[in-house]
Order: sequence, then C-alpha cells, then structure tokens
Amino acid sequence: GAGVSQSPRYKVAKRGQDVALRCDPISGHVSLFWYQQALGQGPEFLTYFQNEAQLDKSGLPSDRFFAERPEGSVSTLKIQRTQQEDSAVYLCASSSYRGSEAFFGQGTRLTVV
Amino acid sequence: QQQVKQSPQSLIVQKGGISIINCAYENTAFDYFPWYQQFPGKGPALLIAIRPDVSEKKEGRFTISFNKSAKQFSLHIMDSQPGDSATYFCAARVSQSAGNKLTFGGGTRVLVKP
Repeated sequence: GAGVSQSPRYKVAKRGQDVALRCDPISGHVSLFWYQQALGQGPEFLTYFQNEAQLDKSGLPSDRFFAERPEGSVSTLKIQRTQQEDSAVYLCASSSYRGSEAFFGQGTRLTVV
Repeated sequence: QQQVKQSPQSLIVQKGGISIINCAYENTAFDYFPWYQQFPGKGPALLIAIRPDVSEKKEGRFTISFNKSAKQFSLHIMDSQPGDSATYFCAARVSQSAGNKLTFGGGTRVLVKP
C-alpha cells in the first residue's frame, strides 16, 4: 500500500478485555516500531522488529503487552486484561532499513472503559 | 526520566509571524534530531532533521538551529500560515542503537491565527 495502515482506527474495550491491534507496514520495509501516545503527550517507544525478529521490547510497560511479526510484514500488538491506563493512541511506524526515515500510520485510539 | 524536554507546550502566532519551539536533551549519545508535525487524527510526519555536525539546516520556511555544547536545538517556522497549525514534536535518536528508536519531546501545539 501507499503508507502504513493500522486497524482498527478506534477500539473501545471494557476493563479486563483482551485487544489486538494490527499494523500493515509499507511493503518491503524491514524495520517496524510500535509507539504509545497518551493524550497530549509525545509518542513513547514500545518495541522494535527487524523483519520477524523482535530486537527491542524494552518499552513494553508490562507483561500484559505482547507484539509479534511472524512473517516479517504484518505486526500485531496484543494487550491482555486491559486497564484504564492503557487508554492511548498506539502508533505503528516502518522504515525501509535500519536508520532510514520512519513512516507512521494514523494510529489506533484505544479507550478502556 | 524525560530525555528530551520541549517548550513551550503551546503557542499562538499571527499569520506571517515566526514560531519558535525549543528542545533540550540529556543523552550525549543522541546523534540525529528530527522534527515531526502531527495533525489531529494523523500520525506524526517527518518535517526536517539535523545531525550534530552542523549548526543549522533550512528547508523552505522551516529551520533547525542546533547547539551541541548546550545540548539544545530549536525549530523556527518562518512566515507561519494557518495550515501550519498542528502539534510539533522534537525527537532524538542514537544511530548505533538497535533499531534506532526515537525519543520524543512532549509536543508543542501551534495555532496560527489568520
């Protein structure tokens, strides 16, 4: 596709529910990042993939957060037993190679009620 | 620990005026400093970036000034237009780190009045 595509755009989850957020990176992009952006804040790094390998997951806030990219293209961020503090916009970004410009998707706005 | 501090949080400028946003960083390993523009409901988009071996970079109406000794950098938007109304984020990166993750500032909401 023309850009990074994320789905769903909006997700409302009841506290305790599991959610899965999808990211379709730009075709051929090796690097893929997930960021969390709280309301009125800058994005914060969650995790990084190079192809299918998750090379950095230092930003994942708890073991309820899990990300995968099994075939080196589409990635899924899963949040188990959602809490209100998980409410945020989750941004996915991809770049063609390590160190090149990262292109961001429009994000998924997660609201936990 | 907030590694990149951005100010002001918001600013209002008249059309044709200059918008100035400042950022300060702590990690001396940072070696790439981009600025992103974000419109409501959209993801951040790269606007302009600088490396610490230069003190200034200009692209159209956008200029980055960089002061390595002070660990500060700023974005100047000249001849501000209503279409520039957006949130701007400074960021920093360590090029040799795995993946080159970005560390963002808190953002500045810019409103350009016609």
